[in-house]
Amino acid sequence: KAGVTQTPRYLIKTRGQQVTLSCSPISGHRSVSWYQQTPGQGLQFLFEYFSETQRNKGNFPGRFSGRQFSNSRSEMNVSTLELGDSALYLCASRLVTASPNTGELFFGEGSRLTVL
Amino acid sequence: GEDVEQSLFLSVREGDSSVINCTYTDSSSTYLYWYKQEPGAGLQLLTYIFSNMDMKQDQRLTVLLNKKDKHLSLRIADTQTGDSAIYFCAESKGSNYQLIWGAGTKLIIKP
Repeated sequence: KAGVTQTPRYLIKTRGQQVTLSCSPISGHRSVSWYQQTPGQGLQFLFEYFSETQRNKGNFPGRFSGRQFSNSRSEMNVSTLELGDSALYLCASRLVTASPNTGELFFGEGSRLTVL
Repeated sequence: GEDVEQSLFLSVREGDSSVINCTYTDSSSTYLYWYKQEPGAGLQLLTYIFSNMDMKQDQRLTVLLNKKDKHLSLRIADTQTGDSAIYFCAESKGSNYQLIWGAGTKLIIKP
């Protein structure tokens, strides 16, 4: 079974640009969560999507947005990039109907964004 | 607050036991987790413990849960160089299993 796939793995952008990151969850997983990881702030929750609906949202400005498609693939977008947006963006999927449901998250390897 | 707290670094000698500690805040958490992140990789679930358990053992790993003190620990016996990683503690909240994460403890293995 293929794991969580994130693309691109690495990208460099300049301030003011926008970026779109993609995540393909494990087959059958309908929940997709996004996290931002930086050395200073650790792991910060961005949002979670389930069945194309945003179910939870972290404390990030409106420049950070996401969506989920009917095949459970998800994208996140960051507009008007700032230097502080440089980070590793991790996607994780979960099988909501697992029994027992332990809430286990399966992570991708991340997309490393550098903003210059 | 909602903070899950961990020490940022732990240094142990190869072959010794490593004990990584974590304090959490929500006494109603259903599950508590330990995730491992190796360099350049995403996080991987190492083990978890249900909130009505005190201890869970899985090969070299032992998880201890003290609900009264809201303290969780992960013991790695016979620590090897391959155990070098960042270890994250997390607690689940609510029926949607929203996770609250610690900052991660970097485990450094000395030869």
